[in-house]
Amino acid sequence: DAGVIQSPRHEVTEMGQEVTLRCKPISGHNSLFWYRQTMMRGLELLIYFNNNVPIDDSGMPEDRFSAKMPNASFSTLKIQPSEPRDSAVYFCASILRPMGTEAFFGQGTRLTVV
Amino acid sequence: KQEVTQIPAALSVPEGENLVLNCSFTDSAIYNLQWFRQDPGKGLTSLLLIQSSQREQTSGRLNASLDKSSGRSTLYIAASQPGDSATYLCAAGGSGGGADGLTFGKGTHLIIQP
Repeated sequence: DAGVIQSPRHEVTEMGQEVTLRCKPISGHNSLFWYRQTMMRGLELLIYFNNNVPIDDSGMPEDRFSAKMPNASFSTLKIQPSEPRDSAVYFCASILRPMGTEAFFGQGTRLTVV
Repeated sequence: KQEVTQIPAALSVPEGENLVLNCSFTDSAIYNLQWFRQDPGKGLTSLLLIQSSQREQTSGRLNASLDKSSGRSTLYIAASQPGDSATYLCAAGGSGGGADGLTFGKGTHLIIQP
Protein backbone atom coordinates (compact mmCIF):
# COMPACT_ATOMS: atom_id res chain seq x y z
CA ASP A 1 0.00 0.00 0.00
CA ALA A 2 1.23 3.50 -0.81
CA GLY A 3 0.25 4.78 2.60
CA VAL A 4 -2.01 7.72 3.33
CA ILE A 5 -2.03 10.06 0.36
CA GLN A 6 -2.81 13.74 0.65
CA SER A 7 -3.16 16.36 -2.04
CA PRO A 8 -2.10 18.94 -2.75
CA ARG A 9 1.21 19.02 -0.90
CA HIS A 10 1.29 22.80 -0.96
CA GLU A 11 -1.51 25.31 -1.41
CA VAL A 12 -1.25 29.05 -1.56
CA THR A 13 -4.50 30.94 -1.79
CA GLU A 14 -5.88 34.39 -1.24
CA MET A 15 -8.01 35.27 1.72
CA GLY A 16 -11.67 34.61 1.04
CA GLN A 17 -11.10 31.79 -1.41
CA GLU A 18 -12.37 28.26 -0.93
CA VAL A 19 -9.76 25.62 -0.21
CA THR A 20 -10.26 21.86 -0.50
CA LEU A 21 -7.78 19.38 0.91
CA ARG A 22 -7.96 15.74 -0.07
CA CYS A 23 -7.03 12.49 1.60
CA LYS A 24 -6.94 8.85 0.57
CA PRO A 25 -6.56 6.56 3.59
CA ILE A 26 -4.82 3.21 3.64
CA SER A 27 -7.00 0.56 2.06
CA GLY A 28 -8.90 -1.40 4.71
CA HIS A 29 -8.56 1.20 7.43
CA ASN A 30 -11.89 2.19 8.92
CA SER A 31 -11.08 5.37 10.83
CA LEU A 32 -9.80 8.62 9.40
CA PHE A 33 -8.58 11.70 11.22
CA TRP A 34 -7.84 15.27 10.17
CA TYR A 35 -5.24 17.19 12.15
CA ARG A 36 -3.85 20.70 11.94
CA GLN A 37 -0.30 21.55 12.99
CA THR A 38 0.97 25.01 13.89
CA MET A 39 4.02 26.15 15.77
CA MET A 40 1.91 27.69 18.51
CA ARG A 41 -0.62 24.94 19.10
CA GLY A 42 1.12 21.81 17.85
CA LEU A 43 -1.06 19.03 16.41
CA GLU A 44 -4.77 19.48 16.96
CA LEU A 45 -7.46 16.96 16.09
CA LEU A 46 -10.10 18.62 13.91
CA ILE A 47 -12.47 15.77 13.14
CA TYR A 48 -12.51 12.01 12.80
CA PHE A 49 -14.63 9.49 10.97
CA ASN A 50 -15.45 5.90 11.85
CA ASN A 51 -16.68 3.80 8.93
CA ASN A 52 -17.20 7.00 6.92
CA VAL A 53 -19.40 8.55 9.62
CA PRO A 54 -18.24 11.73 11.39
CA ILE A 55 -17.90 10.88 15.08
CA ASP A 56 -16.49 14.01 16.67
CA ASP A 57 -16.07 17.38 14.98
CA SER A 58 -15.60 19.37 18.17
CA GLY A 59 -12.09 20.29 17.06
CA MET A 60 -13.28 22.07 13.94
CA PRO A 61 -12.47 25.69 14.73
CA GLU A 62 -15.34 27.41 12.96
CA ASP A 63 -18.26 26.85 10.65
CA ARG A 64 -15.95 27.84 7.82
CA PHE A 65 -14.46 24.35 8.14
CA SER A 66 -16.26 21.27 6.90
CA ALA A 67 -15.23 17.70 6.19
CA LYS A 68 -16.77 14.84 4.29
CA MET A 69 -16.04 11.19 3.73
CA PRO A 70 -18.28 9.99 0.89
CA ASN A 71 -16.67 6.54 0.80
CA ALA A 72 -14.02 4.48 2.54
CA SER A 73 -11.25 5.63 0.23
CA PHE A 74 -11.67 9.38 0.12
CA SER A 75 -12.12 12.35 2.42
CA THR A 76 -12.06 16.11 1.98
CA LEU A 77 -11.51 19.02 4.32
CA LYS A 78 -12.91 22.29 3.03
CA ILE A 79 -12.34 25.82 4.26
CA GLN A 80 -14.71 28.47 2.96
CA PRO A 81 -13.88 31.32 3.13
CA SER A 82 -10.23 30.94 4.01
CA GLU A 83 -8.41 33.37 6.32
CA PRO A 84 -4.70 34.01 6.97
CA ARG A 85 -4.98 32.40 10.42
CA ASP A 86 -5.90 29.13 8.72
CA SER A 87 -2.32 28.88 7.47
CA ALA A 88 -0.92 25.63 8.84
CA VAL A 89 0.00 22.10 7.86
CA TYR A 90 -3.02 19.84 7.64
CA PHE A 91 -2.50 16.13 8.16
CA CYS A 92 -4.73 13.20 7.47
CA ALA A 93 -4.26 9.90 9.31
CA SER A 94 -5.92 6.52 9.11
CA ILE A 95 -6.15 3.58 11.46
CA LEU A 96 -7.80 0.17 11.71
CA ARG A 97 -10.19 0.06 14.67
CA PRO A 98 -11.10 -1.37 17.07
CA MET A 99 -7.82 -3.25 17.42
CA GLY A 100 -5.96 -0.03 18.26
CA THR A 101 -3.24 -0.47 15.70
CA GLU A 102 -0.80 2.17 14.61
CA ALA A 103 -2.03 5.42 13.15
CA PHE A 104 -0.46 6.23 9.80
CA PHE A 105 -0.11 9.80 8.66
CA GLY A 106 0.04 11.38 5.25
CA GLN A 107 2.77 13.83 4.27
CA GLY A 108 0.49 16.76 4.96
CA THR A 109 -0.74 19.78 3.02
CA ARG A 110 0.99 23.05 3.77
CA LEU A 111 -1.64 25.74 3.42
CA THR A 112 -0.73 29.40 3.15
CA VAL A 113 -3.51 31.97 3.01
CA VAL A 114 -2.32 35.43 1.98
CA LYS B 1 -10.00 16.46 28.34
CA GLN B 2 -6.72 14.65 27.77
CA GLU B 3 -3.57 16.76 27.93
CA VAL B 4 -0.14 15.49 26.89
CA THR B 5 3.10 17.15 27.94
CA GLN B 6 6.58 16.40 26.65
CA ILE B 7 9.77 17.28 28.45
CA PRO B 8 12.22 18.59 27.45
CA ALA B 9 11.00 20.75 24.58
CA ALA B 10 14.47 20.66 23.05
CA LEU B 11 17.57 18.60 23.60
CA SER B 12 21.04 18.69 22.09
CA VAL B 13 23.54 15.94 22.86
CA PRO B 14 26.76 14.59 21.36
CA GLU B 15 26.65 11.53 19.18
CA GLY B 16 26.82 8.21 20.99
CA GLU B 17 24.95 9.22 24.13
CA ASN B 18 21.95 7.36 25.46
CA LEU B 19 19.00 9.62 26.08
CA VAL B 20 15.48 9.63 27.47
CA LEU B 21 12.51 11.63 26.25
CA ASN B 22 9.57 12.05 28.60
CA CYS B 23 5.84 12.16 27.98
CA SER B 24 3.07 12.60 30.54
CA PHE B 25 -0.70 12.48 30.13
CA THR B 26 -3.48 13.57 32.45
CA ASP B 27 -6.13 10.90 31.78
CA SER B 28 -4.80 7.42 32.48
CA ALA B 29 -7.75 5.75 30.74
CA ILE B 30 -5.93 5.53 27.43
CA TYR B 31 -6.29 2.91 24.74
CA ASN B 32 -2.67 3.05 23.69
CA LEU B 33 0.30 5.37 23.40
CA GLN B 34 2.24 5.98 20.23
CA TRP B 35 5.61 7.60 19.61
CA PHE B 36 6.27 9.36 16.32
CA ARG B 37 9.18 10.99 14.62
CA GLN B 38 8.79 14.09 12.46
CA ASP B 39 11.54 15.42 10.22
CA PRO B 40 11.40 19.08 9.11
CA GLY B 41 8.73 19.64 6.49
CA LYS B 42 7.66 16.01 6.58
CA GLY B 43 4.82 13.92 7.91
CA LEU B 44 4.81 11.78 11.02
CA THR B 45 6.49 8.38 11.07
CA SER B 46 5.31 5.89 13.66
CA LEU B 47 8.12 4.55 15.83
CA LEU B 48 6.49 2.49 18.54
CA LEU B 49 2.98 1.67 19.69
CA ILE B 50 2.28 0.52 23.24
CA GLN B 51 -1.14 -0.93 24.02
CA SER B 52 -2.69 -0.04 27.38
CA SER B 53 -2.05 -3.59 28.63
CA GLN B 54 1.64 -3.47 27.78
CA ARG B 55 4.56 -2.03 29.72
CA GLU B 56 7.06 -1.50 26.95
CA GLN B 57 7.96 -1.95 23.30
CA THR B 58 11.33 -2.16 21.62
CA SER B 59 12.50 -1.55 18.08
CA GLY B 60 16.21 -1.55 17.39
CA ARG B 61 17.85 1.17 19.46
CA LEU B 62 14.49 2.48 20.64
CA ASN B 63 12.63 1.40 23.74
CA ALA B 64 9.37 2.92 24.90
CA SER B 65 7.81 2.28 28.29
CA LEU B 66 4.34 2.99 29.60
CA ASP B 67 3.14 3.48 33.17
CA LYS B 68 -0.58 4.15 32.97
CA SER B 69 -1.07 4.58 36.70
CA SER B 70 1.36 7.47 36.84
CA GLY B 71 0.41 8.82 33.42
CA ARG B 72 3.91 8.58 31.99
CA SER B 73 5.78 7.19 29.04
CA THR B 74 9.43 7.39 28.15
CA LEU B 75 11.30 6.90 24.90
CA TYR B 76 14.83 5.64 25.34
CA ILE B 77 17.27 6.06 22.47
CA ALA B 78 20.49 4.11 22.77
CA ALA B 79 23.77 5.11 21.16
CA SER B 80 22.34 8.19 19.48
CA GLN B 81 23.35 9.07 15.91
CA PRO B 82 23.13 12.32 13.91
CA GLY B 83 20.39 10.68 11.84
CA ASP B 84 18.24 10.56 14.97
CA SER B 85 17.92 14.34 14.84
CA ALA B 86 14.21 15.13 14.50
CA THR B 87 11.18 16.10 16.54
CA TYR B 88 9.74 13.27 18.60
CA LEU B 89 6.06 13.31 19.41
CA CYS B 90 4.05 11.16 21.76
CA ALA B 91 0.33 10.70 21.38
CA ALA B 92 -2.22 9.20 23.74
CA GLY B 93 -5.02 7.18 22.18
CA GLY B 94 -8.44 7.82 23.72
CA SER B 95 -10.44 5.12 25.41
CA GLY B 96 -13.85 5.99 24.02
CA GLY B 97 -14.46 2.49 22.70
CA GLY B 98 -11.25 2.84 20.74
CA ALA B 99 -12.81 5.44 18.50
CA ASP B 100 -11.19 8.56 19.87
CA GLY B 101 -8.35 10.27 18.11
CA LEU B 102 -4.80 10.69 19.31
CA THR B 103 -3.94 13.60 21.59
CA PHE B 104 -0.44 14.86 20.91
CA GLY B 105 2.21 16.52 22.98
CA LYS B 106 4.10 19.42 21.43
CA GLY B 107 7.18 17.30 20.90
CA THR B 108 10.85 17.20 21.83
CA HIS B 109 13.17 18.72 19.24
CA LEU B 110 16.27 16.55 19.32
CA ILE B 111 19.66 17.45 17.86
CA ILE B 112 22.49 14.93 17.86
CA GLN B 113 25.83 16.62 17.38
CA PRO B 114 28.32 14.71 15.21
